[in-house]
Amino acid sequence: GDSVTQMEGPVTLSEEAFLTINCTYTATGYPSLFWYVQYPGEGLQLLLKATKADDKGSNKGFEATYRKETTSFHLEKGSVQVSDSAVYFCALSPRINYGGSQGNLIFGKGTKLSVKP
Amino acid sequence: NAGVTQTPKFRILKIGQSMTLQCTQDMNHNYMYWYRQDPGMGLKLIYYSVGAGITDKGEVPNGYNVSRSTTEDFPLRLELAAPSQTSVYFCAGARPGETQYFGPGTRLLVL
Repeated sequence: GDSVTQMEGPVTLSEEAFLTINCTYTATGYPSLFWYVQYPGEGLQLLLKATKADDKGSNKGFEATYRKETTSFHLEKGSVQVSDSAVYFCALSPRINYGGSQGNLIFGKGTKLSVKP
Repeated sequence: NAGVTQTPKFRILKIGQSMTLQCTQDMNHNYMYWYRQDPGMGLKLIYYSVGAGITDKGEVPNGYNVSRSTTEDFPLRLELAAPSQTSVYFCAGARPGETQYFGPGTRLLVL
């Protein structure tokens, strides 16, 4: 079945360092891809998304490009801040029949990011 | 708009007790979902609904029940709580083909 694999954490970086969190997926059809962020004690918030191959999602300095040839959706940020400390989840929404999909999300296990001043 | 709201925020149950986790949304979401998040794991789908009166099982439905009598509400019922149901529960809503919006979660501890 469909699945998402993301790099295990925790990841600890110094402020202003470059961030990459790897995410690869297995899916039939043409899924949509997402990154969600969960700050301590809170629910999940959508960070960015991409709905078709070669799309680039971006938000708050974070970027991810939908690579169908490598089935990847790696999250990057050029300069992290302490406020970026959170757990990041990669997810996909299967889209076998676009009109018929119930929009279910399949999540990776999450990667905890800690940014030190 | 309040978005997706969940109550309670935290609850401790004894083994065998029952409870209902409430979820309400005011964003006209046709689709609603219940997920559980275990420590160090991603979210797993328990049940979902594509509209009032329509529900279906997700990946981990055993031990849970849901109902969807109105578009706004999607309660999750635990009939006989077990320690394996200790988790954080998230409700989410979405319009067809659009992004899911998550509630703040309910932390449940079964002792």
